[in-house]
Amino acid sequence: EAGVAQSPRYKIIEKRQSVAFWCNPISGHATLYWYQQILGQGPKLLIQFQNNGVVDDSQLPKDRFSAERLKGVDSTLKIQPAKLEDSAVYLCASSLNRNLYGYTFGSGTRLTVV
Amino acid sequence: EDQVTQSPEALRLQEGESSSLNCSYTVSGLRGLFWYRQDPGKGPEFLFTLYSAGEEKEKERLKATLTKKESFLHITAPKPEDSATYLCAVHVQGGSEKLVFGKGTKLTVNP
Repeated sequence: EAGVAQSPRYKIIEKRQSVAFWCNPISGHATLYWYQQILGQGPKLLIQFQNNGVVDDSQLPKDRFSAERLKGVDSTLKIQPAKLEDSAVYLCASSLNRNLYGYTFGSGTRLTVV
Repeated sequence: EDQVTQSPEALRLQEGESSSLNCSYTVSGLRGLFWYRQDPGKGPEFLFTLYSAGEEKEKERLKATLTKKESFLHITAPKPEDSATYLCAVHVQGGSEKLVFGKGTKLTVNP
């Protein structure tokens, strides 16, 4: 079974620029999560999708972050404009129908904002 | 507010030196407690889920236990390949199906 794919692996941008991350979940997984992991901290949920609908985006900074999951498969997370404090690893995870016990993470995208 | 606190932040052990990692939690309603392992440059990898006080689970040199307020991850006779960051997360009642993570314990096992 292929894992959760994310790209790019690394990204360096200047503050106020925009950036986008891509995630392809495990085939058949209806639930997709985006987490932000700042260095030295645990992952924090940004947004959760069930198919192509948003279940929870309460911790997403909506003034600069946006996410979509068209057709209930791939997802993109965008930051515009980026701030220095957005430097982090952005992790995508997926699970089968909100089943936390089959919750698989990708390797993440490491973003550095300079 | 739901909180998960892990200690110590970092732990250095000699190969074969057993120890325990702690995860304490303050949540409104615990539905499950998860332990993950995270290697540098990788996403967290699932280890265990515990549901109720008194429950224990084992995998190779790792054993996880749960009480009403905390969980322990016991590492018996660790090897250098056990070096990683160990994350604890809780699944809380209400709202979406999400995990709230602690900051993790970075374990280094020296040969």
